[in-house]
Amino acid sequence: DVKVTQSSRYLVKRTGEKVFLECVQDMDHENMFWYRQDPGLGLRLIYFSYDVKMKEKGDIPEGYSVSREKKERFSLILESASTNQTSMYLCASSSLTQTGGLLSHFGNGTRLTVT
Amino acid sequence: EDKVVQSPLSLVVHEGDTVTLNCSYEVTNFRSLLWYKQEKKAPTFLFMLTSSGIEKKSGRLSSILDKKELFSILNITATQTGDSAIYLCAVESGGSNYKLTFGKGTLLTVNP
Repeated sequence: DVKVTQSSRYLVKRTGEKVFLECVQDMDHENMFWYRQDPGLGLRLIYFSYDVKMKEKGDIPEGYSVSREKKERFSLILESASTNQTSMYLCASSSLTQTGGLLSHFGNGTRLTVT
Repeated sequence: EDKVVQSPLSLVVHEGDTVTLNCSYEVTNFRSLLWYKQEKKAPTFLFMLTSSGIEKKSGRLSSILDKKELFSILNITATQTGDSAIYLCAVESGGSNYKLTFGKGTLLTVNP
């Protein structure tokens, strides 16, 4: 079974702090993703990575950066946390199915509160 | 810009009812459409659809994709309170660097 592990379930940080959210997958997947989920807005893609050291901006990258130094680990960084970054953050890694589709496996999420 | 629209945004039914959830999309280089169920934690995978007109079925849940009209439906028959959740539709698109675009989800509440 694919396992996607996010390092923290709950996190409380102060405005201006640098925040690291870590995600590790154990299935040697090339593709990894960071999303945030907010009520009424659904899941929105922040950044994704399709290989080590490769990254692409998603739909809402502002205020975030990412790091993929090893294949199994994809980190989301909030350089200077702000209250509007209070959200549920979900990491996913993806495998290709036999039909060529992309199947995402999600971590359990990190609920970040910025005060 | 890729777009995935789900309807309705929320739905309240009684146990035993049948529900149909809708997902329409506009994306570049469609690859597949996925349905997820989200309760309290992470979304869990339900179906992946890549071919038009072929129904995927799992117990009381079924889904079908229409690639010509660019939509999919998720049906749940004989609903149970345990079906209460947010149902997410996502569309995979792109070339070699593909991504998923999610709809906002449908919040289904099944009352006893």
